[in-house]
Amino acid sequence: AQRVTQPEKLLSVFKGAPVELKCNYSYSGSPELFWYVQYSRQRLQLLLRHISRESIKGFTADLNKGETSFHLKKPFAQEEDSAMYYCALSGGYGNKLVFGAGTILRVKS
Amino acid sequence: GAVVSQHPSWVICKSGTSVKIECRSLDFQATTMFWYRQFPKQSLMLMATSNEGSKATYEQGVEKDKFLINHASLTLSTLTVTSAHPEDSSFYICSAPVGGANTGELFFGEGSRLTVL
Repeated sequence: AQRVTQPEKLLSVFKGAPVELKCNYSYSGSPELFWYVQYSRQRLQLLLRHISRESIKGFTADLNKGETSFHLKKPFAQEEDSAMYYCALSGGYGNKLVFGAGTILRVKS
Repeated sequence: GAVVSQHPSWVICKSGTSVKIECRSLDFQATTMFWYRQFPKQSLMLMATSNEGSKATYEQGVEKDKFLINHASLTLSTLTVTSAHPEDSSFYICSAPVGGANTGELFFGEGSRLTVL
């Protein structure tokens, strides 16, 4: 079965501090992983995907198959990063995604 | 960029009535759309995959007779909650893949909040 676990419901950091949003997955095959973000009063949108190996808004995420993790990181948090972040897994069914429970990131000034 | 629009944004109905929620891809065609349900402070749960011109594919545990999905055109999928009950109250969100590609990148609608009295 495919499963995505985000252990933290809420992560609160000060502006300028490093951020790491944890995501672990369970899937027996070769997964594709994504981070989606939902800012206040906005719809859910793609932040980044592991295949692209890109940095978006200063965020990066590395797929660690040994630890079955896909943690989202940013070295210096900004207030505008405050949002709900969802880790999602596609287990070979193309666009069919399984989402984690989400983590609220609050960046305090 | 591509936009997915849902209507209505919120709806209140009496128990026993049926409610239809529309999901439209505004500037692109979507042969597939996905319907999710989100409970308060919980994750998105995939309900079904809507397929243009054919039957929807429902996830395990989702009642297909309760949640009717129709995808009659390349830009419109509808979710009808039949004989709604208070436990059907929830936030329903649709999404469509970008350009039909199998990339896992989805555009999401703004969601529709259903309250059943």
